[in-house]
Amino acid sequence: EVQLVESGGGLVQPGGSLRLSCAASGFTFSSYEMNWVRQAPGKGLEWISYITRSGDTIYYADSVKGRFIISRDNAKNSLYLQMNSLRAEDTALYYCARGYGAYAYWGQGTLVTVSS
Amino acid sequence: QSALTQPASVSGSPGQSITISCTGSSSDVGGYKYVSWYQQHPGKAPKLMIYEVSNRPSGVPDRISGSKSGNTASLTISGLQAEDEADYYCSSYTSTNTRVFGGGTKLTVL
Repeated sequence: EVQLVESGGGLVQPGGSLRLSCAASGFTFSSYEMNWVRQAPGKGLEWISYITRSGDTIYYADSVKGRFIISRDNAKNSLYLQMNSLRAEDTALYYCARGYGAYAYWGQGTLVTVSS
Repeated sequence: QSALTQPASVSGSPGQSITISCTGSSSDVGGYKYVSWYQQHPGKAPKLMIYEVSNRPSGVPDRISGSKSGNTASLTISGLQAEDEADYYCSSYTSTNTRVFGGGTKLTVL
C-alpha cells in the first residue's frame, strides 16, 4: 500500500525556518517525481514545488522561489522541504504528492503556522 | 502563475448531471494533456478523479468524466449522489514547467 507521511510542521515566528519531511513507503520512491502542495486554512490548493526522480531538476511557484528548497533522499525514501524566511501567508497544511502530470497519492498533510 | 478559473459553486439534485469548468490559457490548459481533477471532502486529502484530461484512475466510477476544448477543461458528474458533495479542483502543467491549480468549486447536492 502506498503511503506518504508528512512531518515537521508546527508554530514558527515570521522570518523563521522549518524543515518538512515526507516519508514514503509501499512503492519504489526513486522511480517517481514528487511535489509539495499546500492549502491555507479555508482556501484552495496551491502547488509549490516539484522534483524529478533523481533530484536533478526542480521547479518552484513564484510565491516560494528563493525561500523554499525541495530535496529528496532516495536511499531514505524521503522528500524534504526546507522553508526559510517564513511569512504569515505561508500558514497552511502542507501535503506531499506523488506524480508528474497528476497526483495519484497524497499524504495527510502537516500544519505550518507562522505567527508571532 | 495565476490560478485557473473555476466557478465558486455548483449544485444539482440527486440523479442529475453537473459540469464544472476550468479555464486557463494556451500556456497551461490549452497547451498540454496534463490536466487533472481532484475531489476533496472536508478534513481529507485530495483524491485524484481524472488525469490527462479524460482518464479515470482505477476505482473512479464511469459517471465521472473529463474533457477539454481550447483553454477550458470540464469535469462532468452524472447521476449525482450525496457522496459527490465536496470541493473539486482542476490542475494543469504549464509552459514554465510549473503546475497550477484552479481556485476550487464547491459542489452541493440538493
